[in-house]
Amino acid sequence: AQSVTQLGSHVSVSEGALVLLRCNYSSSVPPYLFWYVQYPNQGLQLLLKYTTGATLVKGINGFEAEFKKSETSFHLTKPSAHMSDAAEYFCAVTQGSSASKIIFGSGTRLSIRP
Amino acid sequence: EAGVTQFPSHSVIEKGQTVTLRCDPISGHDNLYWYRRVMGKEIKFLLHFVKESKQDESGMPNNRFLAERTGGTYSTLKVQPAELEDSGVYFCASSQLLAGGSYEQYFGPGTRLTVT
Repeated sequence: AQSVTQLGSHVSVSEGALVLLRCNYSSSVPPYLFWYVQYPNQGLQLLLKYTTGATLVKGINGFEAEFKKSETSFHLTKPSAHMSDAAEYFCAVTQGSSASKIIFGSGTRLSIRP
Repeated sequence: EAGVTQFPSHSVIEKGQTVTLRCDPISGHDNLYWYRRVMGKEIKFLLHFVKESKQDESGMPNNRFLAERTGGTYSTLKVQPAELEDSGVYFCASSQLLAGGSYEQYFGPGTRLTVT
C-alpha cells in the first residue's frame, strides 16, 4: 500500500526566506511523486512531478523537489519566499505509469510573513 | 483548451436531502476521478472511471453515494440522503496517457458541499 506523510500542517516563513516543506512516502512499487498547490478559493494545481530520470525536478514559480529513494523523501523547496506563495501544498504519490488513484498527504498550509 | 469544470461551486443542503454534483472532464480524457476532502482531513480518492466504466470504486464511503458517467463524457455524483459528515470539498480530475508513458491528473476547482 502507498502512503504519504507531510510533516507540519502549518509552516510560516518570512518573505525572502527559504521554504522547505517536508514529505515522506511509502510505496511497494516505484512511485510517481507530485506536489500540488491550492491557492485560496481555487482548485488543485500541479507544481511539479517526479516520474523517472533526474531526481531533482523543477516546477512552476521557482519551486523544486528532490526524490531521495534512500530516505523515501520528496521535500519541496524554494530559495526565496514570496507573498504570493501563501497557499496549501499537498504531496502525493501514485503507482508508476498507471492511471490509478492518487494518494495525498494531509497538506501543509504555508504562510508568508512580511 | 478548457480545463476540468465542476458544478455547482457551492451547495448548501439540509440533512436528508439529495444533491447531485457534476464534473465535465477535459475533452478526450478517458479517465475521470472523484476525490473529496472532509474538513481538516486529507484529500481522499472516491472512484475512477475509464470511459463509462467504473475501474475502481474502492473509495466510495457507502451506498448513499452514486456516481455515473453517461456516454463516457461528463460524470455526476449523487448523494442521497445527505448526512452531516458528507460536508466537504469534492474534486473531480481527468487524465490521459502522456507521450512519456505516464498519466497526469488535472483537477477541477471543486464543489464545496455543506450539509446542515
